[in-house]
Amino acid sequence: AQSVTQPDARVTVSEGASLQLRCKYSYSATPYLFWYVQYPRQGLQLLLKYYSGDPVVQGVNSFEAEFSKSNSSFHLQKASVHWSDSAVYFCALSPGAGNTGKLIFGLGTTLQVQP
Amino acid sequence: EAAVTQSPRNKVTVTGGNVTLSCRQTNSHNYMYWYRQDTGHGLRLIHYSYGAGNLQIGDVPDGYKATRTTQEDFFLLLELASPSQTSLYFCASGLGSSQNTLYFGAGTRLSVL
Repeated sequence: AQSVTQPDARVTVSEGASLQLRCKYSYSATPYLFWYVQYPRQGLQLLLKYYSGDPVVQGVNSFEAEFSKSNSSFHLQKASVHWSDSAVYFCALSPGAGNTGKLIFGLGTTLQVQP
Repeated sequence: EAAVTQSPRNKVTVTGGNVTLSCRQTNSHNYMYWYRQDTGHGLRLIHYSYGAGNLQIGDVPDGYKATRTTQEDFFLLLELASPSQTSLYFCASGLGSSQNTLYFGAGTRLSVL
């Protein structure tokens, strides 16, 4: 079965600290993987995506993620967080060829950045 | 700039009421989607469409109808609303391939009393 697991419901870090948000997926082949961010009272926005090539992908606002096939993971990272990064972060999976663009989402991780 | 607009932003109705949520996209995308977001469940796909007149069943379709009247407009209908349908509803559009980005509206918060 296809699924996405975000093991941390909530993460709190201090401003300027580094960040890792974890994402594990279950899929029989290599899926297309995404990270979306949801700021308060807004819809989801794409941070970055991966579907082939270099396993480290760069996204907006200095976020990056690393794909690991052996670990079935796609963790999101940032070297130094800012208070404006406080939001809900969703990892998502899109199955392979022929898919209709549907996404399977994790439950999300709420990031709180403390001043 | 890609744009997906949902209306209303907030809606309160009573059990058994009739509700229509509207979504318009100006991205020229073929695919449109309705998701609901609930604590403990993340986002779940209700219905989607790949063009005017088309409707596809999502993962949690029970109690919902949808209609795609034009390429731009996609509506979600709750004909006999129940408290279990209290949720935050998102509309999204996309090109329909596995690697393409979905563009989301700002959401409609629905309360069924």
